[in-house]
Amino acid sequence: EPEVTQTPSHQVTQMGQEVILRCVPISNHLYFYWYRQILGQKVEFLVSFYNNEISEKSEIFDDQFSVERPDGSNFTLKIRSTKLEDSAMYFCASKKQGASTDTQYFGPGTRLTVL
Amino acid sequence: AQKITQTQPGMFVQEKEAVTLDCTYDTSDPSYGLFWYKQPSSGEMIFLIYQGSYDQQNATEGRYSLNFQKARKSANLVISASQLGDSAMYFCAMREPGGGSNYKLTFGKGTLLTVNP
Repeated sequence: EPEVTQTPSHQVTQMGQEVILRCVPISNHLYFYWYRQILGQKVEFLVSFYNNEISEKSEIFDDQFSVERPDGSNFTLKIRSTKLEDSAMYFCASKKQGASTDTQYFGPGTRLTVL
Repeated sequence: AQKITQTQPGMFVQEKEAVTLDCTYDTSDPSYGLFWYKQPSSGEMIFLIYQGSYDQQNATEGRYSLNFQKARKSANLVISASQLGDSAMYFCAMREPGGGSNYKLTFGKGTLLTVNP
């Protein structure tokens, strides 16, 4: 069964450093998302991406964040200059084109720790 | 703004018994969808079940069923015949109304279910 994959599973970085989180969505999916979950809190929407552009972004997704689909398979989230409060689990999700009832399938997450 | 409320931070159930996890939601839009996801201790988010606001029947997926009460704005997850592997965090989520195919999800705070042997 196809699944969303994410690398790395755990990333440790120093405050102020750039990080790139990688995701490979399910191959026939066309909508892509990033969510984050700060430890012990609920999952929050960051950004949605379709047709090579951002569809919607939350207030969390400020100028320090960017997303890219550099080729036909990868979908990346870049944090330009990490802050302590960026420490969280980051989930990539994808959905196939179609009805609004279609499910978003999540990857296993990348745990980002900013020191 | 839409809102999802899960009032049970933690629940305990004996193996082989059924358990209900509560979820209430708030929206004024007639078209919406509700999802349940399971998050084991390993961290991944696993889709369990979906209920659309116009669906005539309650959704079922194996041991999972959704007790959808539209007038009460509740979408409780029922797990029958609990197994030890059901121990996890469970999140209720709502598809943003009117978002079309490209929707974002709003999540509740989750309920931590522990299944006792």
